[in-house]
Amino acid sequence: KTQVEQSPQSLVVRQGENCVLQCNYSVTPDNHLRWFKQDTGKGLVSLTVLVDQKDKTSNGRYSATLDKDAKHSTLHITATLLDDTATYICVVGAGGSNYKLTFGKGTLLTVTP
Amino acid sequence: AQTIHQWPVAEIKAVGSPLSLGCTIKGKSSPNLYWYWQATGGTLQQLFYSITVGQVESVVQLNLSASRPKDDQFILSTEKLLLSHSGFYLCAWSLWGARDTQYFGPGTRLLVL
Repeated sequence: KTQVEQSPQSLVVRQGENCVLQCNYSVTPDNHLRWFKQDTGKGLVSLTVLVDQKDKTSNGRYSATLDKDAKHSTLHITATLLDDTATYICVVGAGGSNYKLTFGKGTLLTVTP
Repeated sequence: AQTIHQWPVAEIKAVGSPLSLGCTIKGKSSPNLYWYWQATGGTLQQLFYSITVGQVESVVQLNLSASRPKDDQFILSTEKLLLSHSGFYLCAWSLWGARDTQYFGPGTRLLVL
């Protein structure tokens, strides 16, 4: 059973538009949730981490929310750039002394001119 | 500045042959180290993590083993490769606990024929 579901699977937007990516999960414990950006064939780059029961973060053009009661997170990207083309991966961490991370399959975002 | 290096960059191996993938972190003492695997088109899976030299915890059993012979070195290996071992292997490090940001290496692409 998939424990971290991301939607949509893929998304195409035009440069300058905003977009929202979704992450629903059933992982327990859910100590924290992190969003990563993965360029094709490359490693992952952390965008933001959410920790609190109801949390919001902002990192430049990236902003994210987390609702642990609903086990749901969103990643907002504003004013998209061509360089935003990548796969965005939602990851839930168990936390504490448990280093286990559970990954979503990712949303492939394509930004067109 | 910290750097993370993975070797080899890519490899083509025969089924049943041995495998050794390496990961080295420079510029940071006593990091937490992690191995991840991603089948082509699949979801990233955490394989192993290590908090200290000589200690490795297994998260997912894939007929692979890992060792940490030195503070800055993490090795992933198997004596007999399977076709299912093909994919993208990522090494990562973090400084503090389970919630800390992980920094990923460039990855090793493995094709088993």
